[in-house]
Amino acid sequence: EAGVTQSPTHLIKTRGQQATLRCSPISGHTSVYWYQQALGLGLQFLLWYDEGEERNRGNFPPRFSGRQFPNYSSELNVNALELEDSALYLCASSLEGLGYTFGSGTRLTVV
Amino acid sequence: AQSVSQHNHHVILSEAASLELGCNYSYGGTVNLFWYVQYPGQHLQLLLKYFSGDPLVKGIKGFEAEFIKSKFSFNLRKPSVQWSDTAEYFCAVKGNQAGTALIFGKGTTLSVSS
Repeated sequence: EAGVTQSPTHLIKTRGQQATLRCSPISGHTSVYWYQQALGLGLQFLLWYDEGEERNRGNFPPRFSGRQFPNYSSELNVNALELEDSALYLCASSLEGLGYTFGSGTRLTVV
Repeated sequence: AQSVSQHNHHVILSEAASLELGCNYSYGGTVNLFWYVQYPGQHLQLLLKYFSGDPLVKGIKGFEAEFIKSKFSFNLRKPSVQWSDTAEYFCAVKGNQAGTALIFGKGTTLSVSS
């Protein structure tokens, strides 16, 4: 089966711009999770979507937002980009929280 | 709120040495526990997980972890490491209450010299 796919692989944006990251879950998985992996900080939980609804949100400002589409794919939007937003953004999918499969991530660089 | 603490930031071992990476969590209820590994340039992979039952869990590549409920710990072990075990290791916990997310520790970098 195809794994979790994320696009783009790399993204370079200027401070103040907006970034849109995309994730396609494993077929049959209804939950999508977004994490930020910044150097030295591990994986920090950003957002969780299930069945099209936001279920939980990590300690990030409102300029981090997203949505889940009817086909369970998801978008993460980051508005008003700051230099500190430079990180690897990981998406994971699961079915009823029994196992989490991660994608390879989108490397966002803000200059 | 749940949290995860990994005690070692960077561990350096020689091949064939034994490994133990510490992980403690904070959560006031039943938890599911995970260890993930991230090899250089690769995506996160599940090493092992604990949901219930035998607190000694065996995973892939010879890794195991022991859940000690009284200590809120889920330490990862391997009797004899290989150079190919060089990677970053993450402990993660998910509380069983509805709406709780999977929370990760900051990770431990393991460097194994041949």
